Amino acid sequence: EIVLTQSPGTLSLSPGERATLSCRASQSVSSRFLAWYQQKPGQAPSLLIYAASTRATGIPDRFTGSGSGTDFTLIISRLEPEDSAVYYCQQYGSSPPITFGQGTRLEIK
Amino acid sequence: VNLVESGGVSVQPGGSLRLSCTASGFIISSHWMHWVRQAPGKGLEWVSRLNNDGSTFYAESVEGRFTTSRDDAKNTLYLHMNNLRAEDTATYYCAREDWEVWDWGQGTLVAVSS
Repeated sequence: EIVLTQSPGTLSLSPGERATLSCRASQSVSSRFLAWYQQKPGQAPSLLIYAASTRATGIPDRFTGSGSGTDFTLIISRLEPEDSAVYYCQQYGSSPPITFGQGTRLEIK
Repeated sequence: VNLVESGGVSVQPGGSLRLSCTASGFIISSHWMHWVRQAPGKGLEWVSRLNNDGSTFYAESVEGRFTTSRDDAKNTLYLHMNNLRAEDTATYYCAREDWEVWDWGQGTLVAVSS
């Protein structure tokens, strides 16, 4: 099983700043099957980034995904209050189990 | 694409339950379909996958207790849950895997408690 470790656990930043979220895998992950989600309270996860760096439909260019192998990063530029949420990385593909990171909570103060 | 889960209720430990995920806008038998759950205040946990060829895969935590199936005529995915435990309490989401993109439903809450 591929374990995804996200850091930091919590991030507290101000509007206009930049957030850097990390997702590290216990073994190499195909970039094609690495995704990032945003989840707000009471809502289902919402896809932000797939294939490590491709923005999902309607996602603004403030959200940027990058990385390969075992290290992946989500950068959120020009933070807005609405970006407050928990962010998860996910790896999937042909071989279960599919796994998620434990999440990074982003607070915009 | 729309996925609507239903069937979540409160059930006693050891009980059984069937969740449904009704799809519209696409044919579920043409895609890999997943169940993912989230315990209250916790992270996301993958539960199962049903491939378009009918093969199934399960997380260790539910292997032997949960079964996923589909009804092609109703375009509906199911999760049959047996021998439920307190730790199965969660919101259960169904999701469609369309190449690299996953589409999710809004979830249904299952509470296992005496």
